[in-house]
Amino acid sequence: RKEVEQDPGPFNVPEGATVAFNCTYSNSASQSFFWYRQDCRKEPKLLMSVYSSGNEDGRFTAQLNRASQYISLLIRDSKLSDSATYLCVVIPSNDYKLSFGAGTTVTVRA
Amino acid sequence: NAGVTQTPKFRVLKTGQSMTLLCAQDMNHEYMYWYRQDPGMGLRLIHYSVGEGTTAKGEVPDGYNVSRLKKQNFLLGLESAAPSQTSVYFCASRAIRTGEDTQYFGPGTRLTVL
Repeated sequence: RKEVEQDPGPFNVPEGATVAFNCTYSNSASQSFFWYRQDCRKEPKLLMSVYSSGNEDGRFTAQLNRASQYISLLIRDSKLSDSATYLCVVIPSNDYKLSFGAGTTVTVRA
Repeated sequence: NAGVTQTPKFRVLKTGQSMTLLCAQDMNHEYMYWYRQDPGMGLRLIHYSVGEGTTAKGEVPDGYNVSRLKKQNFLLGLESAAPSQTSVYFCASRAIRTGEDTQYFGPGTRLTVL
């Protein structure tokens, strides 16, 4: 079983729609969680950290469910510029290494 | 700050040739990483370093070697390139401070091995 699994999509949504997707992780000792964004053929960039209580950053909301071992990302009022691949990142406790999911592709259409 | 830079951006090798990829960061980060990214497989860790003079193996280290002689540089070497090493290689440095844990990636090196 992979350490981090994501639905690859693609999620094709119209502008203004809400889109949400999850990422599951296998290591119950994982302590830190993040969402990164990667545009086509570019380097990944941090979108947001995911906190235990859930957190919002503008139109983006991230949630953590430790009991079921998944994190989620919700994008409200989608913009064309939100089209990208979203990578889930998990860090086990006291580990230098990060585990990346393969990514979920979102395409926002006009 | 330039952030994380990688050299070269593109390279084509023949099977059996060797090369070194250079990663440099000017943010004084202790941790640095080398990943490869292949379609549908996400980022896989090759080697990493937690400080100058130290390196460790990641998930897919075979066929690669690394060195971290200076804090700001992390070199990835391919001694005898194989077609299976055709990939996009990303270097990253990591900032860990109170309230922050962020990986900063370089722009990538696109390597083709014929």
